[in-house]
Amino acid sequence: KAGVTQTPRYLIKTRGQQVTLSCSPISGHRSVSWYQQTPGQGLQFLFEYFSETQRNKGNFPGRFSGRQFSNSRSEMNVSTLELGDSALYLCASSLPPGTGYGYTFGSGTRLTVV
Amino acid sequence: AQTVTQSQPEMSVQEAETVTLSCTYDTSESDYYLFWYKQPPSRQMILVIRQEAYKQQNATENRFSVNFQKAAKSFSLKISDSQLGDAAMYFCAYRSSDIYNQGGKLIFGQGTELSVKP
Repeated sequence: KAGVTQTPRYLIKTRGQQVTLSCSPISGHRSVSWYQQTPGQGLQFLFEYFSETQRNKGNFPGRFSGRQFSNSRSEMNVSTLELGDSALYLCASSLPPGTGYGYTFGSGTRLTVV
Repeated sequence: AQTVTQSQPEMSVQEAETVTLSCTYDTSESDYYLFWYKQPPSRQMILVIRQEAYKQQNATENRFSVNFQKAAKSFSLKISDSQLGDAAMYFCAYRSSDIYNQGGKLIFGQGTELSVKP
């Protein structure tokens, strides 16, 4: 069974640009969450999608957005990149919320903003 | 708001020995889930063990077990017979059972870097 796939693995962008990251969940998983991981702030929740609807959003500026497609694949977009957006972005998928199962994570996308 | 605290930034253990990683959390909820995740240098977060708050019995997965003290809001991870492959960053995480308001959001601690000495 394929795991959670995130693309690309590495990305270098310039300040002011925008970026789109992709996440393909485990087959059958309909819930997808995104997290930002930095050395200073640790792991912070960005947002969660279920059945193409955003269920929950973390405390991030509006430059961070996401969406989920009918096949449960998800994308997150960051516009007007800032140096502080440099981070490891992790995607996780699970069975629908409420089942109590833990999330399965992908290997992340390492974003560097220069 | 819920918080998760891991007070040990780094821990070290000798191969084949036992080590315990600490985690405390704060919540006003009575029903929730707790997790330990492992993040090796490959970056992928791997679920080690999970605990449902309404279950008094401590979860066990092979060499990994937890000591869940609900009243004390403590959730420590014990690794027995430590192996070199156990070296990684370990994160404790909390998830509310209130899916309508909290969804599936995981709240993580700051992590404990575990090194295993041969």
